[in-house]
Amino acid sequence: DTGVSQDPRHKITKRGQNVTFRCDPISEHNRLYWYRQTLGQGPEFLTYFQNEAQLEKSRLLSDRFSAERPKGSFSTLEIQRTEQGDSAMYLCASSLTVNEKLFFGSGTQLSVL
Amino acid sequence: DAKTTQPPSMDCAEGRAANLPCNHSTISGNEYVYWYRQIHSQGPQYIIHGLKNNETNEMASLIITEDRKSSTLILPHATLRDTAVYYCIVRETSGSRLTFGEGTQLTVNP
Repeated sequence: DTGVSQDPRHKITKRGQNVTFRCDPISEHNRLYWYRQTLGQGPEFLTYFQNEAQLEKSRLLSDRFSAERPKGSFSTLEIQRTEQGDSAMYLCASSLTVNEKLFFGSGTQLSVL
Repeated sequence: DAKTTQPPSMDCAEGRAANLPCNHSTISGNEYVYWYRQIHSQGPQYIIHGLKNNETNEMASLIITEDRKSSTLILPHATLRDTAVYYCIVRETSGSRLTFGEGTQLTVNP
């Protein structure tokens, strides 16, 4: 399967700890997106990359959040000093170009205790 | 991106057509209508998109009204596996993001 891969699928952490998620997009997809989804809501945009450049960040992305895509391939999303409100599903998606459909991974479910 | 309005939930009998409406009355000329669905515990899945003309693929048909202010996603023969949340999204041709609403929970009943 050459779809979007996210790791881990589930993460349980204590409040105040740092966590990092990884996303491997579909090979050759230039664009990579991060979304967050809480129960009963649609996914909310966080940020996106074109190759290694981070082109847009949502105001939802506080200074505790940082995303990287160092070589234009995989991406990481780090949350520092986690809070209970960070508990959510974190989704990654990729697309070939700006107008192409997005392919989503299965997400990382974060629970902050 | 233009705001969309969808009913929160719908039911459909297995084997029948499911018609999911979407209102996007403030859509502008350079905005596409996209449909995605999300099955429980999975990421959203692309279904179909269109600008002006009706579109059909192996999954569904998209009917866009002439004034483009509303659209309908049609699943011609719904199965139990079509039970999911369906999102109607309006996106600029050069838009950097998809803006999801709360979608329609479609339940296909046996």
